[in-house]
Amino acid sequence: GQQVMQIPQYQHVQEGEDFTTYCNSSTTLSNIQWYKQRPGGHPVFLIQLVKSGEVKKQKRLTFQFGEAKKNSSLHITATQTTDVGTYFCVSGGSNYKLTFGKGTLLTVNP
Amino acid sequence: NAGVTQTPKFQVLKTGQSMTLQCAQDMNHEYMSWYRQDPGMGLRLIHYSVGAGITDQGEVPNGYNVSRSTTEDFPLRLLSAAPSQTSVYFCASSYRLGWWNNEQFFGPGTRLTVL
Repeated sequence: GQQVMQIPQYQHVQEGEDFTTYCNSSTTLSNIQWYKQRPGGHPVFLIQLVKSGEVKKQKRLTFQFGEAKKNSSLHITATQTTDVGTYFCVSGGSNYKLTFGKGTLLTVNP
Repeated sequence: NAGVTQTPKFQVLKTGQSMTLQCAQDMNHEYMSWYRQDPGMGLRLIHYSVGAGITDQGEVPNGYNVSRSTTEDFPLRLLSAAPSQTSVYFCASSYRLGWWNNEQFFGPGTRLTVL
């Protein structure tokens, strides 16, 4: 997969605040996946985006894929302590190799 | 279904020792892969397999061997452990040949320390 850069690396919020992490690529992405990893746990699939400009929602989570398919974002509304963890974007390619971003670590102060 | 299982959960090795990390899935998934996770580095692909008898290298394959004799099992072998291989290792699988159709299911990980 193509290299992807994630920002920010860390984000600390008060419970109830919103949170956004961004994933950027210098090249057009075929698809992008998002995973969440709780502290001490393993990555868990959240969603996959395929189409240009695609927006998907899962309760308080909103995922977007840019029009040019070079960037993606994950937005969490009104964070809760259960949202704590590292969020990864993952790009892939026709050669079956997935490339993980370095992740954004979210901590939530109750 | 047990999903993706990994053994052992923890392992301490001395430099130069060899060992095999086990990975198994009971979901009849074609695609399996191994990652290592180091602080601040995300997950990096070591080796992957698109089916029994077929394996290929990922981003960081040096020092590791894999084989895929059955659909269910995908062991990772460390030939001569080095301190640089201290990491958390995750095995993952997905249903179809092409990653783009399906989510990756991850095992619980093996935490390896090489002294």
